[in-house]
Parts: sequence; structure tokens; C-alpha cells
Amino acid sequence: DADVTQTPRNRITKTGKRIMLECSQTKGHDRMYWYRQDPGLGLRLIYYSFDVKDINKGEISDGYSVSRQAQAKFSLSLESAIPNQTALYFCATSRSGSVDTQYFGPGTRLTVL
Amino acid sequence: AQSVTQLGSHVSVSEGALVLLRCNYSSSVPPYLFWYVQYPNQGLQLLLKYTSAATLVKGINGFEAEFKKSETSFHLTKPSAHMSDAAEYFCAGKLYNNNDMRFGAGTRLTVKP
Repeated sequence: DADVTQTPRNRITKTGKRIMLECSQTKGHDRMYWYRQDPGLGLRLIYYSFDVKDINKGEISDGYSVSRQAQAKFSLSLESAIPNQTALYFCATSRSGSVDTQYFGPGTRLTVL
Repeated sequence: AQSVTQLGSHVSVSEGALVLLRCNYSSSVPPYLFWYVQYPNQGLQLLLKYTSAATLVKGINGFEAEFKKSETSFHLTKPSAHMSDAAEYFCAGKLYNNNDMRFGAGTRLTVKP
């Protein structure tokens, strides 16, 4: 079984709709992250959380919000989706420590029409 | 702030040839550096990481990378390419006292028979 799972794997929605992407992990890690991947831009950090009560903005947080419901769950919401939020979204986890190696989920492909 | 630059968005090699994927970082202090591989329709998988313990780092699938402070580089190499190495490769880095992982734009490796 995968250590980091994301649902849904694919989603097509319309402009203005509210969308939630979910991430769950069984690795026991305390840190969780949301990234988006765009061709030619690599991965960019949206939000990250170091524990249930800790939420931090990343490089590109505008238009997104997150919720850390439990140590194992971290959700990303698009309150009002727009076409330039069409991208591949990845959740990642890591264990607190100086190196902080991150482990990634399989991704969610989101298309906003 | 530190950044990571990958030279060449697309590299093509013949099967059995040397693989060289270039990565340079810019920061005032040497960061922790990572190489990840992404196969089609999958998340990112850690290939190897540099954590200042040794400048030559060996990873999975026969890949290795050498940290060169004088050149601010962390290039990824493999002596002999295999068809199964075809994928996208990402270099990433973070400072030891910073929570922000920065990714390069990625290099797509094609292996020709």
C-alpha cells in the first residue's frame, strides 16, 4: 500500500467552483506539504504544515487554503477555481529533522475549464 | 534565498552512454541537495541526497552525484544509460535552517535504443 495517497487522482472542474484535494499518509511523519507542478517550472510550494496546529504559506499560496485535520491528513482547497490553477498537485511528507527528506504522493491532475 | 537551476530541459542519450544531468545552486551556504526522479503518471521518488557527510553521493539505480562547492554544482551521473532511466529528473535544495525546499525546473531524459 502507498505511504502517501492523494484523492482524487484526476479532476475536471469549472471556473468558480470550490475544489478540495485530499492527502493522507501512513508514514507517521509530522510534516506535510502541498506543491503544484507546471511544465518548465518544476515544483512550487503552496503551503506546508509542521504539525496539526501549524500552517505556513509557501511560495504561491494566493488562491489556495489548507486544513490539517490530523497528523495524517492535509487538505488543499481552491475556494473559487480559475483556469491558471490547472496543474499537477503533489502532497509530500517528511519527518522533522535537519535533513527533512520529502516523500511524495502520486499527484492529482486538476483541470479548470 | 537560495535557488536551484537545472541546465537543459531535455537530454537525450543512447542506451549504454553516459548520463549527465546538471544542477547548480545559489546560496550563501551549502544547502542540502536532492535529486528526485519522476516516471510518467507517478509522484517524485528520491534518488539521492547530499547532507554534507560526503561529497560523492551514491543513489539508487546506479546514479551518483558529486557536490562541488567551488562550482556550486551537484550534477547527476550514471555511467551507462538504460531504457528504464527515461523519466524527468528534478534537482532540489534547502538550507539547513530553512523550511523551504526549492526545485529546479526539471530535465527530461530520453534514452534511445
